[in-house]
Amino acid sequence: KAGVTQTPRYLIKTRGQQVTLSCSPISGHRSVSWYQQTPGQGLQFLFEYFSETQRNKGNFPGRFSGRQFSNSRSEMNVSTLELGDSALYLCASSLDAGGETQYFGPGTRLLVL
Amino acid sequence: GNSVTQMEGPVTLSEEAFLTINCTYTATGYPSLFWYVQYPGEGLQLLLKATKADDKGSNKGFEATYRKETTSFHLEKGSVQVSDSAVYFCALSEGTGFQKLVFGTGTRLLVSP
Repeated sequence: KAGVTQTPRYLIKTRGQQVTLSCSPISGHRSVSWYQQTPGQGLQFLFEYFSETQRNKGNFPGRFSGRQFSNSRSEMNVSTLELGDSALYLCASSLDAGGETQYFGPGTRLLVL
Repeated sequence: GNSVTQMEGPVTLSEEAFLTINCTYTATGYPSLFWYVQYPGEGLQLLLKATKADDKGSNKGFEATYRKETTSFHLEKGSVQVSDSAVYFCALSEGTGFQKLVFGTGTRLLVSP
């Protein structure tokens, strides 16, 4: 069974631009969560989606948004990019929304110049 | 709020040495506990988990026991290999029905031949 896939793997943007990252969960998994990883703040929870609904959101500004499609694929969007948004963005999927184990993708490394 | 504290790294060991990485947590309720491993340039891989007190998670020679009385989940391995060099993250799941993981800061392990 294929794992979690994320596209693109690497991205370079400039301040003020927006970016969309994509995540395809493991087949049959219906829950998708997003995390930001930076050297300074470590791993921080962004949001969680299940059945196309956002169930939980971390402490990030409104510039960070996401959505989930009917096939469980998810996208996250960051508008008006800032230098501090440079990070590894990790997507994780789980079978259901009941505290199941999460499986992570390889991440998208975003560099904002 | 919930939090996870890990020992500072890097931990430097010779091949075949015994490994312990300390992890303690603060949480309300009864979280599930996880160890994830991150190899250079990759996402997170689930190493092991425990869902209730006194459970022992194990995988690939690594073990950790959920100790409610000491709020700990220390990672151990009897004989490390060079290929175990990576960053190890302790994490807790905040509760049934939600997928948010709270991570420690990570501990880098360096194993020399």
